[in-house]
Amino acid sequence: DQQVKQNSPSLSVQEGRISILNCDYTNSMFDYFLWYKKYPAEGPTFLISISSIKDKNEDGRFTVFLNKSAKHLSLHIVPSQPGDSAVYFCAARLLYGGATNKLIFGTGTLLAVQP
Amino acid sequence: DAGVIQSPRHEVTEMGQEVTLRCKPISGHDYLFWYRQTMMRGLELLIYFNNNVPIDDSGMPEDRFSAKMPNASFSTLKIQPSEPRDSAVYFCASSLRAIGTEAFFGQGTRLTVV
Repeated sequence: DQQVKQNSPSLSVQEGRISILNCDYTNSMFDYFLWYKKYPAEGPTFLISISSIKDKNEDGRFTVFLNKSAKHLSLHIVPSQPGDSAVYFCAARLLYGGATNKLIFGTGTLLAVQP
Repeated sequence: DAGVIQSPRHEVTEMGQEVTLRCKPISGHDYLFWYRQTMMRGLELLIYFNNNVPIDDSGMPEDRFSAKMPNASFSTLKIQPSEPRDSAVYFCASSLRAIGTEAFFGQGTRLTVV
């Protein structure tokens, strides 16, 4: 059962425009949500995160929005650049009383930013 | 710090052979995770350790898979016997419990079982 879902396997955007990557989750026990970026032949690298008590977190060109009632989060990249082309993974942390630290990932969305 | 180090980077083996993947986490990190990446399922958590102790191995596909962490600086993931469906990229990651929510990944081991 996929607890974190990224329903769009790929997305193509023009340079300078906004990229919106979406993620849905099913478990209300998740307390943190993260986005990772992955280039070919490399491991994923952390991009941005948001606590479940917030609805928005911004870092430069990257903004993550969280809608807890809809169990939905999104990553906005503005403006998109060709170097942003990568696979983006949504991840959620499952925390049990501070004793565990388990990240569950989605299947990823391949973003292609066209020059 | 050199980051999370995995070896080998690529492994090609014949069906039925034993495969051992290795990982050196970032020094001082309390948690170590083994993930498998496939096209169909994305990044699947196989097992994770806290202070060298396995906490959750519910993601390990079957008894052919085993993982150990004999000390804070080394972990192995073993597949015996290997099968073609085990072909995937295997990632090791480590993280701090108290401070960060993010995990730091190694470059992965691309396993091909023929």
